[in-house]
Amino acid sequence: QVQLVESGGGVVQPGGSLRLSCAASGFTFSSYGMHWVRQAPGKGLEWVAFIRYDGSNKYYADSVKGRFTISRDNSKNTLYLQMNSLRAEDTAVYYCAKGQSGAPVVFDYWGQGTLVTVSS
Amino acid sequence: DIQMTQSPSTLSASVGDRVTITCRASQSISSWLAWYQQKPGKAPKLLIYKASSLESGVPSRFSGSGSGTEFTLTISSLQPDDFATYYCQQYNSYPITFGQGTRLEIK
Repeated sequence: QVQLVESGGGVVQPGGSLRLSCAASGFTFSSYGMHWVRQAPGKGLEWVAFIRYDGSNKYYADSVKGRFTISRDNSKNTLYLQMNSLRAEDTAVYYCAKGQSGAPVVFDYWGQGTLVTVSS
Repeated sequence: DIQMTQSPSTLSASVGDRVTITCRASQSISSWLAWYQQKPGKAPKLLIYKASSLESGVPSRFSGSGSGTEFTLTISSLQPDDFATYYCQQYNSYPITFGQGTRLEIK
């Protein structure tokens, strides 16, 4: 069965950096586009970034462009999100999500999420 | 960016009721719309994609319709497990955007 397990969240000061990981199993990771989606406490869902199955294309939300970098290591079945210049408004639960077969921008499986808190 | 607006924001209903949630896009998105269900403290779950296609394993009491700018999610007979928050999502173009959510609560 498909499993996505995020890690790397925690408390960081404004201006700091953090790298999130998402370990994937139960499917051929190298064949699917992957996303990061976040949810601030008590708020709705916000798409953050997408990476194509082979890493050749990446897209970002304007709110994180230039500060966050999505990447993947298909040999390790792992998705990453490098977050730099963090701000208070980046505080959220970060989910990794798998793109659906044939529709990479539909999220058919989600991880349990990892909480990132940006605070001094 | 395409703005997605859901209504109502909160919906009170009883077990057995038929309920409808509406999602409007700020411009045409054809049928590139998905619906998700989220329970407190849990990740969202895909219910419907391409406006009306039911995801595998999702009960048939859930259905979606619409195209262009107006879409609906209907639950034909509410079950206790259905009380949750529902989100629509457009995937016509980047950035991908979600509606603000509709909280379905027990009357």
